[in-house]
Amino acid sequence: GAGVSQSPRYKVAKRGQDVALRCDPISGHVSLFWYQQALGQGPEFLTYFQNEAQLDKSGLPSDRFFAERPEGSVSTLKIQRTQQEDSAVYLCASSRRRRYSNQPQHFGDGTRLSIL
Amino acid sequence: DQQVKQNSPSLSVQEGRISILNCDYTNSMFDYFLWYKKYPAEGPTFLISISSIKDKNEDGRFTVFLNKSAKHLSLHIVPSQPGDSAVYFCAASAEGNTPLVFGKGTRLSVIA
Repeated sequence: GAGVSQSPRYKVAKRGQDVALRCDPISGHVSLFWYQQALGQGPEFLTYFQNEAQLDKSGLPSDRFFAERPEGSVSTLKIQRTQQEDSAVYLCASSRRRRYSNQPQHFGDGTRLSIL
Repeated sequence: DQQVKQNSPSLSVQEGRISILNCDYTNSMFDYFLWYKKYPAEGPTFLISISSIKDKNEDGRFTVFLNKSAKHLSLHIVPSQPGDSAVYFCAASAEGNTPLVFGKGTRLSVIA
């Protein structure tokens, strides 16, 4: 399809394991965002890429969280040494334009991460 | 401190009537506002947006109103349909296409 694609849809990991979550944005979209959504809350910003450049990572909760977008298309969010509080839905969004232009962000269906 | 607030966790409306969802914000730097609709186990779907230079934007059954002086926006759905039953999120950003700040959502139930 033409939308934002995320994989896996569900991930269960034991505390202490590393996980990697993938996002395939809409083709040609310059901007890519990662959000974290806890149960009963709205999505909260994690990090932002414009092409391959990570312009904002102020929302990453700790240095265990790392994101990359090496070729300006697919992005991976990696969480090292997972903790139970990392359990959440991780959403990826992309938008067509660069910063400072009013364009809606389009979201994938998310990865639901459960840490046991 | 929540910068975007949706004070009604839930709303129930009869089919065919108007649904009004409200949102308040505190950050005067916000200049772009969006509404998203979310079904269970799916990501948020973009519905409608408005920039701060306008006070109204309409798209079919959906209209968003912005009152900058009150820092308030609302989404009107008319007529409401059972398929509109979902969680609606209000979101805002400053200087366009920057990270969105979301409210906690309002669950709308449209009863046939």
